[in-house]
Amino acid sequence: GAGVSQSPRYKVAKRGQDVALRCDPISGHVSLFWYQQALGQGPEFLTYFQNEAQLDKSGLPSDRFFAERPEGSVSTLKIQRTQQEDSAVYLCASSLGGGQTRYNEQFFGPGTRLTVL
Amino acid sequence: DQQVKQNSPSLSVQEGRISILNCDYTNSMFDYFLWYKKYPAEGPTFLISISSIKDKNEDGRFTVFLNKSAKHLSLHIVPSQPGDSAVYFCAASDSYNFNKFYFGSGTKLNVKP
Repeated sequence: GAGVSQSPRYKVAKRGQDVALRCDPISGHVSLFWYQQALGQGPEFLTYFQNEAQLDKSGLPSDRFFAERPEGSVSTLKIQRTQQEDSAVYLCASSLGGGQTRYNEQFFGPGTRLTVL
Repeated sequence: DQQVKQNSPSLSVQEGRISILNCDYTNSMFDYFLWYKKYPAEGPTFLISISSIKDKNEDGRFTVFLNKSAKHLSLHIVPSQPGDSAVYFCAASDSYNFNKFYFGSGTKLNVKP
């Protein structure tokens, strides 16, 4: 595909359930980012991958959040034992460069809207 | 503690007039700033950026102004068009951790025909 895709687009989970959100970045993009966007707020950084290496996970709100990108392309964000405060849109973005390449445009996917009941 | 703030949740402008969207930041280490545009049910798309070595960057109808002493940036859209109606986010990063973008809460622009 031409852009970043995310699945599912919508997810409803009962409190305490585990969820897995998938991101397919643009082919060939080295860097991949996950953001959390609460209602009425801007995206908040969660974590960043360069290829398969997770270089920054400082934004993950708790140890219930886990992200992986095992082969350096598709990434999965997993949330264990979901809580109501996890309800948000989860955005994935990818960019072509990595490492010391500073001015890389981040291309965003449409997001997954997670609702925890 | 929000490091990037957009204090106007919404703005309404007549078609053909200028739209001015504002953004303030608190972290003096920020040296790269971006504006993203977001339509409903889509992800944000990059619009324009500016490095702190400049005070203005222009791209067609879009101009971003940076006032480092005031820690303030603004996006000017001239002339505004109905298709510009969207939510606009400003974002910033610093040179130490430049892959980490800090976003404002967004301003919803409505351009009336």
